[in-house]
Amino acid sequence: DAKTTQPPSMDCAEGRAANLPCNHSTISGNEYVYWYRQIHSQGPQYIIHGLKNNETNEMASLIITEDRKSSTLILPHATLRDTAVYYCIVRVAGYGNKLVFGAGTILRVKS
Amino acid sequence: NAGVMQNPRHLVRRRGQEARLRCSPMKGHSHVYWYRQLPEEGLKFMVYLQKENIIDESGMPKERFSAEFPKEGPSILRIQQVVRGDSAAYFCASSPGDRGSSPLHFGNGTRLTVT
Repeated sequence: DAKTTQPPSMDCAEGRAANLPCNHSTISGNEYVYWYRQIHSQGPQYIIHGLKNNETNEMASLIITEDRKSSTLILPHATLRDTAVYYCIVRVAGYGNKLVFGAGTILRVKS
Repeated sequence: NAGVMQNPRHLVRRRGQEARLRCSPMKGHSHVYWYRQLPEEGLKFMVYLQKENIIDESGMPKERFSAEFPKEGPSILRIQQVVRGDSAAYFCASSPGDRGSSPLHFGNGTRLTVT
């Protein structure tokens, strides 16, 4: 699976949009971009995933560049409860492939 | 629609005892993954199972650890003769299929403490 690079930490003001970047310059055409987060000591929570097109759901938006070498997760109106470690993961679109977690980005939402 | 259920939430074992961790996947999910998170460290893949089959155990320690996912009942992660270094959070995830487009959904983990 392709390697991802994320900033170790970011701060965001409550109510503002949080934009979390991820570089995956070695991504292959059949690899999905996944985003998860882990709040304190809870289990990882699935946020969103995409292959080529931008995606949006009730939690977030995922913007993937045209060359697919980077992406941005957008939390449109961050709240204090969004403080967590956010993981960007690329995953082969084949069969039976696990998720490989890196160090992620610690997002701190501040009032 | 219940999520992935793990039990117990907390488990305390003395060195040398056995630990059994259970995972009930989401309804309709037949693929289970186990991960371990050591204190202050990242999530590490351990094993991937389908019903009655181990598909990928590349992350499992060579000794003392085993996993199963029987035709009926939950998936079980078994640790024999536990040592202090086994103290960690163990997370289970499930998915409805084995394609890269099927998200994994995680439980809230079992926290194992070895005294």
